[in-house]
Amino acid sequence: TQLLEQSPQFLSIQEGENLTVYCNSSSVFSSLQWYRQEPGEGPVLLVTVVTGGEVKKLKRLTFQFGDARKDSSLHITAAQPGDTGLYLCAGASDSSYKLIFGSGTRLLVRP
Amino acid sequence: KAGVTQTPRYLIKTRGQQVTLSCSPISGHRSVSWYQQTPGQGLQFLFEYFSETQRNKGNFPGRFSGRQFSNSRSEMNVSTLELGDSALYLCASRKPGRSTDTQYFGPGTRLTVL
Repeated sequence: TQLLEQSPQFLSIQEGENLTVYCNSSSVFSSLQWYRQEPGEGPVLLVTVVTGGEVKKLKRLTFQFGDARKDSSLHITAAQPGDTGLYLCAGASDSSYKLIFGSGTRLLVRP
Repeated sequence: KAGVTQTPRYLIKTRGQQVTLSCSPISGHRSVSWYQQTPGQGLQFLFEYFSETQRNKGNFPGRFSGRQFSNSRSEMNVSTLELGDSALYLCASRKPGRSTDTQYFGPGTRLTVL
């Protein structure tokens, strides 16, 4: 059974601070996706990483896929209150059409 | 381009009843997946449909079922509702192709079972 462990579960930081969210597994994934979810809404895709060692940047967000394609991280620089939300990582494999989701990181950025 | 739509957005049912949720995928997307999201279990895969055929199924009891129509719209049904079925039910669509193609989620249907 493929599992994704996401940490930390909760994060409350001050505006302007940096943070990193981790997503780890013992399984290899063909790709890993990061989503952000607002209350009462569905997850919205932030990025998809496919190649081991890949790094993608989206403004102040930096995403990295581990060399072995078993783990990923999301780093936010100078967090802003608008970054508040639930961040989810999700892995996909070629042998299955379902996404395996991490448990999520609930981020609160205080002004 | 319109996104994934789900109806209804909110639903209140009582134990023992059954419920049907609907999902309209993005135009051109032929794959529809359903997920259940709860505070305790997070997001869990229910099933996926492609070209009216169930292609993959998660670990849920037989009370949970689904189908897909020729226009790619999908419905899921939950029979004999239990309190634990209270959750946000999310539908996601993607183009046919690799299993790693991006899934686009709808806003979800919030089901409350009393």
